[in-house]
Amino acid sequence: AQSVSQHNHHVILSEAASLELGCNYSYGGTVNLFWYVQYPGQHLQLLLKYFSGDPLVKGIKGFEAEFIKSKFSFNLRKPSVQWSDTAEYFCAVSGPNFGNEKLTFGTGTRLTIIP
Amino acid sequence: EPEVTQTPSHQVTQMGQEVILRCVPISNHLYFYWYRQILGQKVEFLVSFYNNEISEKSEIFDDQFSVERPDGSNFTLKIRSTKLEDSAMYFCASSKRQIATNEKLFFGSGTQLSVL
Repeated sequence: AQSVSQHNHHVILSEAASLELGCNYSYGGTVNLFWYVQYPGQHLQLLLKYFSGDPLVKGIKGFEAEFIKSKFSFNLRKPSVQWSDTAEYFCAVSGPNFGNEKLTFGTGTRLTIIP
Repeated sequence: EPEVTQTPSHQVTQMGQEVILRCVPISNHLYFYWYRQILGQKVEFLVSFYNNEISEKSEIFDDQFSVERPDGSNFTLKIRSTKLEDSAMYFCASSKRQIATNEKLFFGSGTQLSVL
C-alpha cells in the first residue's frame, strides 16, 4: 500500500529557530502533496500544496516546502518559528496510485515552540 | 472563510449503540468526505461521497458504517453498532471539485467519539 512517512514525531524548538519537518512518500507516480496544520482544539487547515510547476512552494504564515522527486520527499520549512506555530503538522498525498478521491496522511509531527 | 461545521463536538456512547455524526459541508461544495483519527495515530480516510453515492471507501468503512445526505445541507456518518475501537476523532470535509484537480479540501473541527 502507498504510504506517507513523517519521521519526526515530536519536535521542540525555541522561538526564532529554523524548522524543517520531514515527509517522504512511497513511490506512486504522479502525486499531489500537502501540508496541513492542526492548532490545539481546531480543525485541520491547509498550509500549502504542490500539484505541479515550481517544486518550491510557499504557503501561509511563512511556511514553505520543497518537492524533491528523486528523494520522494516534501519537507516543510520555516526560517524562524514563533510560539504560535505550536501545533500538529500533517503531510498528505493524493494521486492516481494513492486514490484520487482521498488524502493519505502521515502520522503527524507535534511541534512545540518554547518562548 | 467558509467553514464545515460538525455536531456534536464530543459524543459518548455505550458499546453496541448506534451513533450518527452530523456535518454541514460548505454550501456550494459537491464532494464530501469522512476521515478519522484514533488517538496517537494518523488521520485515516473513511469514505468519499459525490452525487448521492459513495465514490470511494477504505477498508475501515465496513458494513457497520454508512453515510447519507438526507437533505441539501447535512452529511451524516452512521455507525450501526459501535465498538471500543471506533473511539476516535471523526472529521468531515468537503470540496467543490475532486481534490485531484488542485482543489482545496475544507475540514470541520471534528467530533470526538468515545465508546465505553
